[in-house]
Amino acid sequence: NAGVTQTPKFQVLKTGQSMTLQCAQDMNHEYMSWYRQDPGMGLRLIHYSVGAGITDQGEVPNGYNVSRSTTEDFPLRLLSAAPSQTSVYFCASSYTRMRGDYGYTFGSGTRLTVV
Amino acid sequence: GQQVMQIPQYQHVQEGEDFTTYCNSSTTLSNIQWYKQRPGGHPVFLIQLVKSGEVKKQKRLTFQFGEAKKNSSLHITATQTTDVGTYFCAGRTDSWGKLQFGAGTQVVVTP
Repeated sequence: NAGVTQTPKFQVLKTGQSMTLQCAQDMNHEYMSWYRQDPGMGLRLIHYSVGAGITDQGEVPNGYNVSRSTTEDFPLRLLSAAPSQTSVYFCASSYTRMRGDYGYTFGSGTRLTVV
Repeated sequence: GQQVMQIPQYQHVQEGEDFTTYCNSSTTLSNIQWYKQRPGGHPVFLIQLVKSGEVKKQKRLTFQFGEAKKNSSLHITATQTTDVGTYFCAGRTDSWGKLQFGAGTQVVVTP
C-alpha cells in the first residue's frame, strides 16, 4: 500500500495563477481532508469529505475548492493564488467514526510558494 | 467554537531529561489523538485516548486523558535525540466532529 500520495512536492506559483494539488489514497478510507500548516499555527482544516460526492468547508476554505468524485482522490484547487496561500499543504485520510476511531494518515505534503 | 490549546509552544530539553507537554480544550472531548511531526516531515499518528482518566504508554512516552475529558498530557522520560520534532494533540467533540489540532509543541533536544 502506498498510503496517501500527494503531488507535487514543491510548487512555485505567480499571483493570480491557478493550480490543483493532487491527493490519492489506496486504503479505502471514507474520510479525506486538506490542511495547511503555517509556522506557529498548527494544522488548519481547509476542506474535508466523508465520502464520494460529499464535501464540506473547514475553518479556512476561502480561495480553495475541492471535489470528491471517487473514494480514492481528493484534489484541492487554488482558484487565483495569493501570497497569503504560501504554506505547506497536507492531505490526510482515515476511516470514519462509524468504523471506530482511527488516526489520520497524512501525505508527505506540498510546499507551495506564491510570488 | 472548540479550541484546543497546547503548552508549551517550545520545549528545549537536554538528552536524558524528562518533560511533559499539555493539551487543553475549551469543551469536553469524545477522544483525543496525538501526532508527531519530525522536522521537514509530515504528522504521524501516535495514539488515541477515549476514556476518562485513561493512561497509555508507548515505551518512554506516557499519554494521559483527564478525568473531565478536557485535557491531556504527553510525558517523555529520558529524552533522546530521536524525540526531536513537533508533537500535536487533536481533539474531537462528537461522533462526526472534525479533529481540532492544537498548535503543537516543538521539542529540541541537545546532547
